[in-house]
Amino acid sequence: DTAVSQTPKYLVTQMGNDKSIKCEQNLGHDTMYWYKQDSKKFLKIMFSYNNKELIINETVPNRFSPKSPDKAHLNLHINSLELGDSAVYFCASSRHRDTNTEAFFGQGTRLTVV
Amino acid sequence: SQKIEQNSEALNIQEGKTATLTCNYTNYSPAYLQWYRQDPGRGPVFLLLIRENEKEKRKERLKVTFDTTLKQSLFHITASQPADSATYLCALDGSYNTDKLIFGTGTRLQVFP
Repeated sequence: DTAVSQTPKYLVTQMGNDKSIKCEQNLGHDTMYWYKQDSKKFLKIMFSYNNKELIINETVPNRFSPKSPDKAHLNLHINSLELGDSAVYFCASSRHRDTNTEAFFGQGTRLTVV
Repeated sequence: SQKIEQNSEALNIQEGKTATLTCNYTNYSPAYLQWYRQDPGRGPVFLLLIRENEKEKRKERLKVTFDTTLKQSLFHITASQPADSATYLCALDGSYNTDKLIFGTGTRLQVFP
């Protein structure tokens, strides 16, 4: 049973399109995250939700809109995709919002904008 | 602003030796520090967490130290094996904000037979 699963694993799309990445966790965790890992492998937090409430929004362009229908799901919708959005996006979850607990990551979604 | 530095160059060591990876940080005092392993094409996997009031933490062949005076953490893998080859990331909580983890750039470890 996969703890944090995200789909799709690969996404190739043209500039200007709108796309979504879905994430689900079956760990019963309260907190979920989206991270972006660029070509230099730098992993940077984008958003954090705790019990469906947005708690962190790290100066991400408003073309990126996370949505949490329930605490087990955190989806990421991206409007008007740009070349610079190409990266690997990771969903993660943790038992609670404080960072004294480990984070569980999904397998990643490799987004390529052409 | 807070900054986390890990050796960007790969660390190559022979099987059986101890690998030591470094994580340095500046401009803040984290309450927690975590280490993760990332394999190509996979998400990071949690290894160890150490608190600011702990000097050392061990788990099987892994050992982490946390020196808040030097603002440095060392991550050791003893009796290293080729299967330990991966990228290792350190992560700290954000300054004045323990709601988020801030990751270093990672160090790639290559263990050769």
